[in-house]
Amino acid sequence: ILNVEQSPQSLHVQEGDSTNFTCSFPSSNFYALHWYRWETAKSPEALFVMTLNGDEKKKGRISATLNTKEGYSYLYIKGSQPEDSATYLCAFITGTASKLTFGTGTRLQVTL
Amino acid sequence: GAGVSQSPSNKVTEKGKDVELRCDPISGHTALYWYRQSLGQGLEFLIYFQGNSAPDKSGLPSDRFSAERTGGSVSTLTIQRTQQEDSAVYLCASSFSDYTEAFFGQGTRLTVV
Repeated sequence: ILNVEQSPQSLHVQEGDSTNFTCSFPSSNFYALHWYRWETAKSPEALFVMTLNGDEKKKGRISATLNTKEGYSYLYIKGSQPEDSATYLCAFITGTASKLTFGTGTRLQVTL
Repeated sequence: GAGVSQSPSNKVTEKGKDVELRCDPISGHTALYWYRQSLGQGLEFLIYFQGNSAPDKSGLPSDRFSAERTGGSVSTLTIQRTQQEDSAVYLCASSFSDYTEAFFGQGTRLTVV
């Protein structure tokens, strides 16, 4: 059974704080790792797709790193804003099973 | 349309009735996924299509659930003899390939009364 674990489950930060979350996945047979942002009453939207060990991706104040050998990815948000409040999901694909398996997400709340 | 389209957006049905949920993916996307989110839960994988074939049906909760995809495009998820525990938001997503981002539809909120 493929297990994608995310931590923490929820996080509450003040505006301007920087924060990070973890996504852990089985390191064997890695193919790709996706990050999505899911705002309330909307659909998940892709942030990053990462495929190579050591990959680092950045979009504005959000960045992500990938370690396929040890099976983890970090998502960083610099200078959190209230509009960053959402659930952040990671999803994993192996080389033998093309389905996107999602973690349960990290729910971020940013307050003024 | 430019995005993934799902219909209906809301469906209320009586227990025991059959329902069909439709997903119209982005043109050219060969991969299509169905997920559901029950109240307070994360995204639960149901089924994955590559073209018209479904290499992974492992997430379908019971034999009351079935899905098909025709012409490598539109997919329908059918739930027979609906039960109250089937109440959830059903999300469809499509992608060009396994290593490109998936685009999600707005979902169908199914309520079984």
